Amino acid sequence: NAGVTQTPKFQVLKTGQSMTLQCAQDMNHEYMSWYRQDPGMGLRLIHYSVGAGITDQGEVPNGYNVSRSTTEDFPLRLLSAAPSQTSVYFCASRNDRGAGEQYFGPGTRLTVT
Amino acid sequence: EDKVVQSPLSLVVHEGDTVTLNCSYEVTNFRSLLWYKQEKKAPTFLFMLTSSGIEKKSGRLSSILDKKELFSILNITATQTGDSAVYLCAEETSGSRLTFGEGTQLTVNP
Repeated sequence: NAGVTQTPKFQVLKTGQSMTLQCAQDMNHEYMSWYRQDPGMGLRLIHYSVGAGITDQGEVPNGYNVSRSTTEDFPLRLLSAAPSQTSVYFCASRNDRGAGEQYFGPGTRLTVT
Repeated sequence: EDKVVQSPLSLVVHEGDTVTLNCSYEVTNFRSLLWYKQEKKAPTFLFMLTSSGIEKKSGRLSSILDKKELFSILNITATQTGDSAVYLCAEETSGSRLTFGEGTQLTVNP
């Protein structure tokens, strides 16, 4: 199993550009989520999904869109990048059958200039 | 949103010391309390706690939950330089959502 994979590892965008961060998992997990991590802020939940076709907002959803057309993939779209979106983004997945370990991807470091 | 507060935010110790990291949380829709270790990459899972007073242990690391006082502690005994990392705690609430604290930056000097 590859676990949770994310692409790209690094990205630099100009203000106003759009892009999609890719996330995929091969563990047949129902629950997937996106976090951003900023210095001194811990991890903050952006969006999450409890299964294909179902998504919901987390703590900091503004400026981001998600969709979940398959169990495996959960892309995060930045609609019009802003410097405030400079951060490290982590995708995570878990089995939704009760509490347990959440598996994180390696992260994408995004810089918006 | 439930709030998770960790203390201290940073800690510098010498190898061999014992450290205690603290995590307090709010009670709304509580399901579990989780601890992660992060070393300049993705967080890795340490413990999940759901019941008060039952210690979870893994080598030199242990953790316990107090659901009455709404806190958890993570203990590391005989610290090593490889324990240097950010330690994150997270509260899981209904809907499987995790709310993370800011983390404690632990530095273990030789």
